[in-house]
Formats: sequence, structure tokens, C-alpha cells
Amino acid sequence: EDQVTQSPEALRLQEGESSSLNCSYTVSGLRGLFWYRQDPGKGPEFLFTLYSAGEEKEKERLKATLTKKESFLHITAPKPEDSATYLCAVLARTGFQKLVFGTGTRLLVSP
Amino acid sequence: NAGVTQTPKFQVLKTGQSMTLQCAQDMNHNSMYWYRQDPGMGLRLIYYSASEGTTDKGEVPNGYNVSRLNKREFSLRLESAAPSQTSVYFCASNELGSGNTIYFGEGSWLTVV
Repeated sequence: EDQVTQSPEALRLQEGESSSLNCSYTVSGLRGLFWYRQDPGKGPEFLFTLYSAGEEKEKERLKATLTKKESFLHITAPKPEDSATYLCAVLARTGFQKLVFGTGTRLLVSP
Repeated sequence: NAGVTQTPKFQVLKTGQSMTLQCAQDMNHNSMYWYRQDPGMGLRLIYYSASEGTTDKGEVPNGYNVSRLNKREFSLRLESAAPSQTSVYFCASNELGSGNTIYFGEGSWLTVV
């Protein structure tokens, strides 16, 4: 069974304090791993897709990396506006494409 | 760009009542999805439509029905609402082959009392 586990559940950082969020996955053949950002009362907003181990993608203060068992979302020098819930999801090769989501990491960045 | 639009945003139902959540996308995507999001459970797929004219069950389909009205619109119906269906519902869409990225609507908050 495809499964995604995110850690920590919640993370509180000071502005400028860099850290990483973890997404561990088991999937029957990875077609893609996705990172989304979700603000309170909003739908998930797409950030990155990673397709193969060793791949990295960056967007402003965010950098996503992928290994064969996990993905990391590195946040460098975060700002309060980076506060949100970050969701990880995987797409398996078998069957029709259906994303399997983790439960997310709630990030709070204090000024 | 509107993207994926859902209505209503908020709804309160009494147990046993029925209602339909509406979803429309303007990105010309073939595939559309309905998810529900509950605390501690993550997003779970209810139903999906791979293309116009087809629908299939996802992970948690019981108590729901869907209709793919045309390429743009995909509705979710609760025939007899139950308190367990209190949740936030998200519609999503994507185009197969275009990076597989799935785009989400803003959500519909449903409370069943």
C-alpha cells in the first residue's frame, strides 16, 4: 500500500532560522513526488514536482530534494509569510494517477 | 485566471438532507477529482474522472455520487448527509502528461448537524 509520512507535525522557527521538513514514502514505483503549500482556509498550492532520486528544485527560499525513500523541503532564512502547512504527496506508477498525501507539517515562522 | 472554482464555500446541512457541490475548471484539463480533508487524515480521494464521460471510485466513495457534466464541470452529491461527512471538500484537475501536476480549488466547508 502506498504511504506517505511527514515529520515533524508542527515546526516553529524564528525568522531567519533555516530548517528542513521530511517526507518519507513507500510506493509501488514512483511516478512523481509533489510538494504543496496550504494556507488556512485555502486549497493546496503547487510548489514542486520531483521525479527521480537526486533531483532538486528551488523556488525563492525553498529547496526540495529527493532520495529513493524520502524527500526534504529545505527552508532557508524563512520569513513570517512562509508560515503555512506544507503537504507532500506521491503518485504511483501503477493504476490511474491518484495522489496519496501525507498529513502535512504546520510551519510557523515568528518575526 | 480562475483555475478551479468550487461552490458553495460554506454549507450547513441537517442529517439526511441532500446537496450537491459544484466544481468547474477553465484549464481545459481532462481529469478531475474530489478530495476530502479531515484533521490528522490528510487529503483522501473520494471520486475521480479520468476524462469526460468516465468516473471511478477513490479511497472513500461511500455516501457520495458524482457527475462529470462536461469537460469543465464535475459535481459531488451527498444523497443523505451524515455527521461523518462533515469535512472540507476540494475539487482538483490536471492534464495527463503535463507533469501530472494536480491543481486544487479553494475548498468547500461542509458541516452536517
